[in-house]
Amino acid sequence: QQQVKQSPQSLIVQKGGISIINCAYENTAFDYFPWYQQFPGKGPALLIAIRPDVSEKKEGRFTISFNKSAKQFSLHIMDSQPGDSATYFCAAAINFGNEKLTFGTGTRLTIIP
Amino acid sequence: NAGVTQTPKFRILKIGQSMTLQCAQDMNHNYMYWYRQDPGMGLKLIYYSVGAGITDKGEVPNGYNVSRSTTEDFPLRLELAAPSQTSVYFCASSYSWDRGAPQPQHFGDGTRLSIL
Repeated sequence: QQQVKQSPQSLIVQKGGISIINCAYENTAFDYFPWYQQFPGKGPALLIAIRPDVSEKKEGRFTISFNKSAKQFSLHIMDSQPGDSATYFCAAAINFGNEKLTFGTGTRLTIIP
Repeated sequence: NAGVTQTPKFRILKIGQSMTLQCAQDMNHNYMYWYRQDPGMGLKLIYYSVGAGITDKGEVPNGYNVSRSTTEDFPLRLELAAPSQTSVYFCASSYSWDRGAPQPQHFGDGTRLSIL
């Protein structure tokens, strides 16, 4: 049972545009939602994360929007750059002692000049 | 600071062979994890450990074994390799989550394993 659904599977965006990746979850006990970025040949690295007590978190060009009632969250990359080309994974976890992350299936983002 | 180190980077095994994937971290993290990554499937948790001597199953533990004798090392053992275990394996580590905030998982660069 896939508990975190991620879309799209792949995304091509022009340089300077906005990249948007969406995730939806089923388990209402999830209360921690990180995004990981992975470059080819490397392991994932934490990009940005949000707790459900806020609806938006911004770090530089990266923003997470969170809709608790719809059980959805999304990553927005503003002014997308070729260096942002990577695979992005959303994830979810239950805090308070449960350290396991449930990952989405990933989005391969390509930024073209 | 090396972070999380995985060895080997690549390996080809024959069906039925066994091998151990090595993982070491130098950040004094008490939590360690093993994931497998298959195309279009994201990362699936195989096993995890919250400290030396303590391990627990993740989502896809069948066909694998782990041990955690030290804080630094968390090897993953494949006893009877099967084609379905062809994948990229990632080890990760983190501090415990009782520090008042969720702690990021730090990943190694993976081991690409092919079973033929």
